[in-house]
Amino acid sequence: GEDVEQSLFLSVREGDSSVINCTYTDSSSTYLYWYKQEPGAGLQLLTYIFSNMDMKQDQRLTVLLNKKDKHLSLRIADTQTGDSAIYFCAEEDNFNKFYFGSGTKLNVKP
Amino acid sequence: DADVTQTPRNRITKTGKRIMLECSQTKGHDRMYWYRQDPGLGLQLIYYSFDVKDINKGEISDGYSVSRQAQAKFSLSLESAIPNQTALYFCATSEGTEGSGELFFGEGSRLTVL
Repeated sequence: GEDVEQSLFLSVREGDSSVINCTYTDSSSTYLYWYKQEPGAGLQLLTYIFSNMDMKQDQRLTVLLNKKDKHLSLRIADTQTGDSAIYFCAEEDNFNKFYFGSGTKLNVKP
Repeated sequence: DADVTQTPRNRITKTGKRIMLECSQTKGHDRMYWYRQDPGLGLQLIYYSFDVKDINKGEISDGYSVSRQAQAKFSLSLESAIPNQTALYFCATSEGTEGSGELFFGEGSRLTVL
């Protein structure tokens, strides 16, 4: 399968920006996703970006895609304690199969 | 009510036992998936089904089997459970149309094999 990599942990202070990074290997990915998993729950889609876009902004969330380097990032502005969760990067291949990273656990300190 | 429902939510069993995890969905989606989540490893695809007559192996299908009883139901079986199958299992669905193929997840089934 494809390889999607993320760092395991990130800790920030409330009000700061958080940047979660992801690298992937499949250059033919059609869509790339960020999912959020809160404790005891399943994953929920946070945002996604089509592979021909460089950037997508949605309120406090900014997704940056560098196709050349196969690098995806998620920036959360004005991070709140409610943003504490595990964030998964995922890519979708041409056969509608999804490959997930290991997840980055975001800890927001008050 | 949840759109994707998994039962049981928690199960403790012994090595060698047969276990079935069930998933049902009310979203009307054709595509269903079973994933396994282990700490630090993210989600790994076990099996997936794009319609009732279609079953496909994922990355880690050994030791597992599935049954797609209807469009809305997709069950995962462990014929003879072993301790390294202790994990959190997620069922997911997707619409499968061209475009963003968002996955909708159940709340997970935590399985412990002693």
